[in-house]
Amino acid sequence: EAGVAQSPRYKIIEKRQSVAFWCNPISGHATLYWYQQILGQGPKLLIQFQNNGVVDDSQLPKDRFSAERLKGVDSTLKIQPAKLEDSAVYLCASSLSRTGAKTQYFGPGTRLLVL
Amino acid sequence: QQQVKQSPQSLIVQKGGIPIINCAYENTAFDYFPWYQQFPGKGPALLIAIRPDVSEKKEGRFTISFNKSAKQFSLHIMDSQPGDSATYFCAASRSGSARQLTFGSGTQLTVLP
Repeated sequence: EAGVAQSPRYKIIEKRQSVAFWCNPISGHATLYWYQQILGQGPKLLIQFQNNGVVDDSQLPKDRFSAERLKGVDSTLKIQPAKLEDSAVYLCASSLSRTGAKTQYFGPGTRLLVL
Repeated sequence: QQQVKQSPQSLIVQKGGIPIINCAYENTAFDYFPWYQQFPGKGPALLIAIRPDVSEKKEGRFTISFNKSAKQFSLHIMDSQPGDSATYFCAASRSGSARQLTFGSGTQLTVLP
């Protein structure tokens, strides 16, 4: 079975620019997560979707970050405008269901560098 | 209450050694404790997981030991190999929280040949 796909793999932008990341979860997985992983730290949850609805976005800096999951499949995460401290790896993960299967499958991530 | 503390930050062992990585948690509502393995340039991948109703779980060379009273759990890697060199993350989640994972800060393991 194909894994979680993410693109682009790398992105370099200047501060105050905007950037968007794309995620395609494993087919059939209802739950989708976006994490931010700063160098040397564990992943931190930004937002969780169940199908196309938001379950939890309490950790998402909503003044600059936005995310959507149209049609309950692919998802995009956007940052506008980017700050230096947004430099991190952005990981997308999916799981079969919100409360049933606990295993989250992660994509390879998008490494963002903000200059 | 949601924090998971992981140690050590880095660990170097010889091939065949038994590295041990420790994690501690505060929130007694946590009921699922997975370990993830991450190689450079890759996303984390589930390695092994345990629920608090058992004290130990073994899968191949990987063993989780769980101490509910101390609110601690650890990962042991038997007969470690250079291919085990990676970053290891412990995590925890609880039912009713949409199964959100709270991750530790990670341990960078190097197994020398």
